Amino acid sequence: GAGVSQSPSNKVTEKGKDVELRCDPISGHTALYWYRQSLGQGLEFLIYFQGNSAPDKSGLPSDRFSAERTGGSVSTLTIQRTQQEDSAVYLCASSPRFGNEQFFGPGTRLTVL
Amino acid sequence: DAKTTQPPSMDCAEGRAANLPCNHSTISGNEYVYWYRQIHSQGPQYIIHGLKNNETNEMASLIITEDRKSSTLILPHATLRDTAVYYCIVRAGLGGGTSYGKLTFGQGTILTVHP
Repeated sequence: GAGVSQSPSNKVTEKGKDVELRCDPISGHTALYWYRQSLGQGLEFLIYFQGNSAPDKSGLPSDRFSAERTGGSVSTLTIQRTQQEDSAVYLCASSPRFGNEQFFGPGTRLTVL
Repeated sequence: DAKTTQPPSMDCAEGRAANLPCNHSTISGNEYVYWYRQIHSQGPQYIIHGLKNNETNEMASLIITEDRKSSTLILPHATLRDTAVYYCIVRAGLGGGTSYGKLTFGQGTILTVHP
């Protein structure tokens, strides 16, 4: 079956521009997560959606970062006024409500010039 | 901060067992031990998880010490495709509130399987 998909696969932007990254979770998965991985760094949790509950935003690094999940399915991560330190691979994952395994997408590589 | 400690790198010969250690001395009663791996340029992949009993699946075995302060992931017959970064993660159980969902990754162990 289809896995988690993310788009675009690569994004190059100029400092100060806004970007939107999209995640399509596995159908039926109620939980959705965003992580990022900077060059040479481990994976850093950003935000977690579970059904209709309020999202856990504790990992968002600044108020320039926000995420939405519409209709309990597709999610968009928005970064406003991008900075060079935002350059990273942004990974999305989904899981069933009480599932133990998070299924990761291939990621979006963001480069801020 | 990650609650686990892993060696930064390990080598293994193809066909031999790879034993990857992990220390999690501050693990609490409702926290599970999870293992994921990340092959170069791909998203992480779930391997196995456990609470206190040893676990085995088609990919690997997980051995957890009786005091739960450490564990070992065993790949019984490593292949070149098992070369990856292996992450040991401690994760709250369902009663862990908002911390249940997220995975806190450390630096992991770079496992290199050589011919």
